[in-house]
Amino acid sequence: GENVEQHPSTLSVQEGDSAVIKCTYSDSASNYFPWYKQELGKRPQLIIDIRSNVGEKKDQRIAVTLNKTAKHFSLHITETQPEDSAVYFCAALRVSGGYNKLIFGAGTRLAVHP
Amino acid sequence: EADIYQTPRYLVIGTGKKITLECSQTMGHDKMYWYQQDPGMELHLIHYSYGVNSTEKGDLSSESTVSRIRTEHFPLTLESARPSHTSQYLCASSVGATTEAFFGQGTRLTVV
Repeated sequence: GENVEQHPSTLSVQEGDSAVIKCTYSDSASNYFPWYKQELGKRPQLIIDIRSNVGEKKDQRIAVTLNKTAKHFSLHITETQPEDSAVYFCAALRVSGGYNKLIFGAGTRLAVHP
Repeated sequence: EADIYQTPRYLVIGTGKKITLECSQTMGHDKMYWYQQDPGMELHLIHYSYGVNSTEKGDLSSESTVSRIRTEHFPLTLESARPSHTSQYLCASSVGATTEAFFGQGTRLTVV
């Protein structure tokens, strides 16, 4: 089955620096890779996603890259701000027996210090 | 307003009690999911449904059961709650497999 490994588990940066979170997946049939942000006490919310026919996608300060050959994808946040502090989850859509399951990584707790 | 709703938000219950966590969505989504979130962070898929009368178990073994009699409703039931069931339970829904999954606010369950 699909396993999604996420690193690092915690990340601390200074305001204005960049932050990079990396994930690897095991199922080569996976074709959809969303990233979610969960602020303290709130529900996870989608911030960006990428499909397997695209290598990179950018939305303002957030970008995601996908390397299908190596089966890894990364989230890049530039010019970090204190409000970026949250837990970030990567996920991969696993295709299994005609069913698709969204499997999440273990999460990265990002702290942005002013 | 189209959204996904979970009730209750918080529940403290005694060991051995039967409980049902409610999840309803008004977005017309066909796919619905239950995730268990550890106190640390991890989100574990415990149940999912692709439509009415369709339910499947997720990757994390769970003693809970689910039903999907109506498109908008996906309740989760624990027949006999135990302290090991203490966790946060998040319900989610999506219109397709490769589209955004929307999460509810979650139910934080404590079994004493």
